[in-house]
Amino acid sequence: GNSVTQMEGPVTLSEEAFLTINCTYTATGYPSLFWYVQYPGEGLQLLLKATKADDKGSNKGFEATYRKETTSFHLEKGSVQVSDSAVYFCALRPVGNEKLTFGTGTRLTIIP
Amino acid sequence: EAQVTQNPRYLITVTGKKLTVTCSQNMNHEYMSWYRQDPGLGLRQIYYSMNVEVTDKGDVPEGYKVSRKEKRNFPLILESPSPNQTSLYFCASNRGQGSYNEQFFGPGTRLTVL
Repeated sequence: GNSVTQMEGPVTLSEEAFLTINCTYTATGYPSLFWYVQYPGEGLQLLLKATKADDKGSNKGFEATYRKETTSFHLEKGSVQVSDSAVYFCALRPVGNEKLTFGTGTRLTIIP
Repeated sequence: EAQVTQNPRYLITVTGKKLTVTCSQNMNHEYMSWYRQDPGLGLRQIYYSMNVEVTDKGDVPEGYKVSRKEKRNFPLILESPSPNQTSLYFCASNRGQGSYNEQFFGPGTRLTVL
């Protein structure tokens, strides 16, 4: 079956540090891949997505590249801000299926 | 404003007392689903609906019911809640017809069953 494995948290970084949150997946074919962000007390919001191999999704300074050879979709940001503190979820959606399969989430805290 | 709304946002109840969590979307989306979020487990799908009167089980359907009588509404029903259903619940919707369509999430309902 489909599954998503993401970096265990929590992750604590200083402001302006470089961020990487690892995500790997198991699925047949070429699923679409997503990163969602959940700010305190809110629902999930789509952060970025990639629908085919070698696609790079980007938004708000975050980037992730769909790597078919390593079945990975790692989230990166060059310089984090306090406002980036949130829980980040990696997810996949198989071709022809609307269901999202989520990773367990990674809590990120940025300290000034 | 395009949105998914859920009510109530917070609910404390007792074992066995039937409850309904409502979900409504104003985007004319065909696909709707319910998830529960638990620490260390991420989000797991409870039920989903491809369209009006079409529903199916997700990964963790036991103890839940749903209905889809109108396109915009997708209520989650707990006929006899138990403490292991204490969780954070999210409703989501998307246009369907393609794995690249964004799912929109509601703000969540935090349920405590005593």
